[in-house]
Amino acid sequence: EAGVTQFPSHSVIEKGQTVTLRCDPISGHDNLYWYRRVMGKEIKFLLHFVKESKQDESGMPNNRFLAERTGGTYSTLKVQPAELEDSGVYFCASSQVKFKVTEAFFGQGTRLTVV
Amino acid sequence: EDKVVQSPLSLVVHEGDTVTLNCSYEVTNFRSLLWYKQEKKAPTFLFMLTSSGIEKKSGRLSSILDKKELFSILNITATQTGDSAVYLCAVTTFTSGTYKYIFGTGTRLKVLA
Repeated sequence: EAGVTQFPSHSVIEKGQTVTLRCDPISGHDNLYWYRRVMGKEIKFLLHFVKESKQDESGMPNNRFLAERTGGTYSTLKVQPAELEDSGVYFCASSQVKFKVTEAFFGQGTRLTVV
Repeated sequence: EDKVVQSPLSLVVHEGDTVTLNCSYEVTNFRSLLWYKQEKKAPTFLFMLTSSGIEKKSGRLSSILDKKELFSILNITATQTGDSAVYLCAVTTFTSGTYKYIFGTGTRLKVLA
């Protein structure tokens, strides 16, 4: 079974440019989460999809960030325009919760560097 | 605000030592506590704990949860250089029909040969 995959592994962009990160969750997982780890800090929640619906986007830092999950399969996270403080590692995780919580499976992360 | 605190932040030991990593939490609507190991890339799942006092064990790793005192420990015995990693603690909560995972900062463990 394929795990959670993220693309690209690493992206270096200039301030003001646009970047789109992609996450393919484990097939059949309804829950998809985006997290971000800024250097030296904890992994912070960004948002949570259940299928194609945004269940909780309370962690999104501002309106420069837009996440979508059309069709309830893969998800994209777009940053436009990128700022220096957006640099970090963006993790995606998926889980399938039926009647009890299960562990979330993580992708390898996308390292975003804004210069 | 929901909070997960791990200690120590960083630890350097020699092979063969035993280490104990701590995770304390203050959250609303607790459901479970999870431990992950992160080496170079994706965090990999170690344990999920939902009940107090029941030890989960996998080889040299073990973990236990205390829901009264709101903490968990992760023990690694006879450490090896391959145990070097960041160990993440996450707590899941269930609010308004949705599960959320809240992470601590992680404990960076370095095991010297």
